[in-house]
Formats: sequence, C-alpha cells, structure tokens
Amino acid sequence: NAGVTQTPKFQVLKTGQSMTLQCAQDMNHEYMSWYRQDPGMGLRLIHYSVGAGITDQGEVPNGYNVSRSTTEDFPLRLLSAAPSQTSVYFCATRLGNSYEQYFGPGTRLTVT
Amino acid sequence: DQQVKQNSPSLSVQEGRISILNCDYTNSMFDYFLWYKKYPAEGPTFLISISSIKDKNEDGRFTVFLNKSAKHLSLHIVPSQPGDSAVYFCAASDGNFNKFYFGSGTKLNVKP
Repeated sequence: NAGVTQTPKFQVLKTGQSMTLQCAQDMNHEYMSWYRQDPGMGLRLIHYSVGAGITDQGEVPNGYNVSRSTTEDFPLRLLSAAPSQTSVYFCATRLGNSYEQYFGPGTRLTVT
Repeated sequence: DQQVKQNSPSLSVQEGRISILNCDYTNSMFDYFLWYKKYPAEGPTFLISISSIKDKNEDGRFTVFLNKSAKHLSLHIVPSQPGDSAVYFCAASDGNFNKFYFGSGTKLNVKP
C-alpha cells in the first residue's frame, strides 16, 4: 500500500505558467482534499471532493481548479501561477464516515 | 480571520516532563477537534481527537482537554520524549467533516 502519493516533490514555476499537481491514493477513500501550508497560517483547505465527479470549494479556492474522474486521483491545476501561490501543497484523503485524514508528503511550489 | 489559533509558535521542554500545547477557536459551531503531528518533509499524521460531548480524551501518553465555555483545547504529552519533537496542529470541524480548519501550528522541541 502506497497510501497517498504526490508528484512532483518540488517545482519552480514562472509567473503565468500553468501546471498540475498530482495526488493519488490506493486506499479507496471517497473523500480527497487539497491544502496549502504557509508560514503562520497553518493548513488552509483549497478544494475537496466527496467522490468521483463531485468537487467543492474550501477556504482559499481562487486560482485553482480540480476535477475527480476516478476514486484514486485528484489533480490540482494552477492555470496561471502567481507568486502568492508559492506554498507547500498537501493532498489528504479519508473514509466517508471517518474524521481522520491521511496526508501525502507534500509538494513544495515556488513561483518566481 | 483565522477561526482556530495556536498562539505559541514554539515550545521547548525537557525529556520526561509534561508538554502542554494550546489551541483556541472562535466558531461556536465547531464540535469536533483533532490534533495532528508533523515531522519535517512529511505530511501531518493524526494523533488524537475529541468530540464536544466530552471534555477529555486520553490515548497513552497523549491527553486532549476541551473547555467549551472558553473555546479552548489543550494537548498534554506525559512524559515527553525526544521523538515527540515535531510541529503540532490542532484542527476543528462543525461536524460534517468535509471542512477542517487548522491552526498555525506549535513547534515542540523535547530536549534530551
């Protein structure tokens, strides 16, 4: 069991570039989510999904898109990167009837 | 404005002594609280939780206390061990578990 995997581990983008952060899980969890972690701010929820085909916004959704075509994958898209999106991004999953989330190892993104 | 606050960015404790990490929240609708532990370059991992119907939950060396009237919770670690050195996040939800709100974290250093 790999659990929750995230790729890439590190990424540097120029302002205006686009990219997709990948998240995959092999635990058959219905719920998946994306957080960003910034100094002094803790983790803030960007988007989440309660199952394939269903997504919703979190606290800080602007500038990010998501889709969920399979149970296993939940990619996060930055359409036009901005320096304010420099952060560490975590993907998390949980079973539908549980409160405990399982986090991936994170992607450190720098936008110059 | 952050709904969950951890006002101590860091805490240093001697091995064998008690560590007390504090967390305050502002939203009276929150009724489920969790603590996560995070090592560098890893994702957070679940530690312990408490529902608002309780005022204490214990799991081995870890105990979480909830004071609903003060909107305050604390995590006690007794005895503290060097392996407990990590960043601790508290998180809160209003019960539907789709959205969790995290504090900014407290970095615990347990000195041998």
